Amino acid sequence: QVTLKESGPGILQPSQTLSLTCTFSGFSLSTYGMGVGWIRQPSGKGLEWLANIWWDDDKYYNPSLKNRLTISKDTSNNQAFLKITNVDTADTATYYCARSYSADFDFWGPGTMVTVSS
Amino acid sequence: DVVMTQTPVSLSVSLGGQVSISCRSSQSLVHNNGNTYLSWYLQKPGQSPQLLIYKVSNRFSGISDRFSGSGSGTDFTLKISRVEPDDLGVYYCGQGTQYPNTFGAGTKLELK
Repeated sequence: QVTLKESGPGILQPSQTLSLTCTFSGFSLSTYGMGVGWIRQPSGKGLEWLANIWWDDDKYYNPSLKNRLTISKDTSNNQAFLKITNVDTADTATYYCARSYSADFDFWGPGTMVTVSS
Repeated sequence: DVVMTQTPVSLSVSLGGQVSISCRSSQSLVHNNGNTYLSWYLQKPGQSPQLLIYKVSNRFSGISDRFSGSGSGTDFTLKISRVEPDDLGVYYCGQGTQYPNTFGAGTKLELK
């Protein structure tokens, strides 16, 4: 059974760094073809893909967030991470991690809400 | 970036009815490897999105055959037949052919 769960700070101030953790089970990020992606959704709005990391440590980022994103993984502990630097109110959203296999997202976590506010 | 345009924005349906949702991409979604990475997701109220259809027409595990996907190139359709109350929510198409992955703006399916 594949499950994923996101965790984050809940609230942070503008200019801080957002650190998110995705803890998953039921698959391994050392398996050929496996990946984890991060997607966010502002309240009442659509989905925005942020980044993907693959079994071979290949990484892809959404260029709209320029150089603010860093994705990484801890294969031994079944975790993936996303950092977003220099946050502002526009980064307020629910952040999802999802398993990525064959270029889609087949299992999603419940999401973690992040509010950026001074 | 590949722009995904979904129509309509919202849809009203009677239980047991049939609906179609259109998704058009600004570029062909045929990958160099010959696959077309167009997926459909449903986000029920208060829940995270769930995968319904992958690679245009393949139903994900456990998805009812009332859901069917079709299309090619830049033009895709999701059909839902015999609509049930549990089908209500927002439907998104998404492409994984080219980075960055992009999603349509969503189609809200409501009861008439």
